[in-house]
Amino acid sequence: DADVTQTPRNRITKTGKRIMLECSQTKGHDRMYWYRQDPGLGLRLIYYSFDVKDINKGEISDGYSVSRQAQAKFSLSLESAIPNQTALYFCATGGRGVNQPQHFGDGTRLSIL
Amino acid sequence: AQSVAQPEDQVNVAEGNPLTVKCTYSVSGNPYLFWYVQYPNRGLQFLLKYITGDNLVKGSYGFEAEFNKSQTSFHLKKPSALVSDSALYFCAVRDMDSGAGSYQLTFGKGTKLSVIP
Repeated sequence: DADVTQTPRNRITKTGKRIMLECSQTKGHDRMYWYRQDPGLGLRLIYYSFDVKDINKGEISDGYSVSRQAQAKFSLSLESAIPNQTALYFCATGGRGVNQPQHFGDGTRLSIL
Repeated sequence: AQSVAQPEDQVNVAEGNPLTVKCTYSVSGNPYLFWYVQYPNRGLQFLLKYITGDNLVKGSYGFEAEFNKSQTSFHLKKPSALVSDSALYFCAVRDMDSGAGSYQLTFGKGTKLSVIP
């Protein structure tokens, strides 16, 4: 089983809909991250969480919200989706040391029509 | 602020030839540097990291990277490319001196590597 699991893997929806992307991990890491990937732009950080009570905005948090339901679960919501939020979304986890790499899920491909 | 530049959108190399994927970085303090690889329909996979010490770092799948502080570079290399190395490669930096923010990774835009049989 994957260490970092994202659901759904693909989603097509309409403008204005509320969408939730879910992430769960079995790595036991405290730190969790949400990124979006756009062609030619690389990965950009949306939100990150150091523990259940610690949520922080990233580079591009406008239009998004998150919830850390437990150490192992971190969900990303789009309250009212718009077409320019069409992208590939990745969840990642990280260990406590600052020199530790992040571990990524396989992504959710989101299309907003 | 921290930033990463990958100057080449695409690198083409013949199978069996050496490959280099370039990365330069900018941080105000000292860097932690990472390389990741992304295969189609998959998430990023960690290849290697530079923390401190030896400037030549060895990682997974025969890849290595050379840290050059004076040139602020961290180029990814492999002596003999395989067709299966074809993928998207990302360089990432973390400023080890930026406090809580040092847990954030800044990624380059990625370089598509194509290994031609």
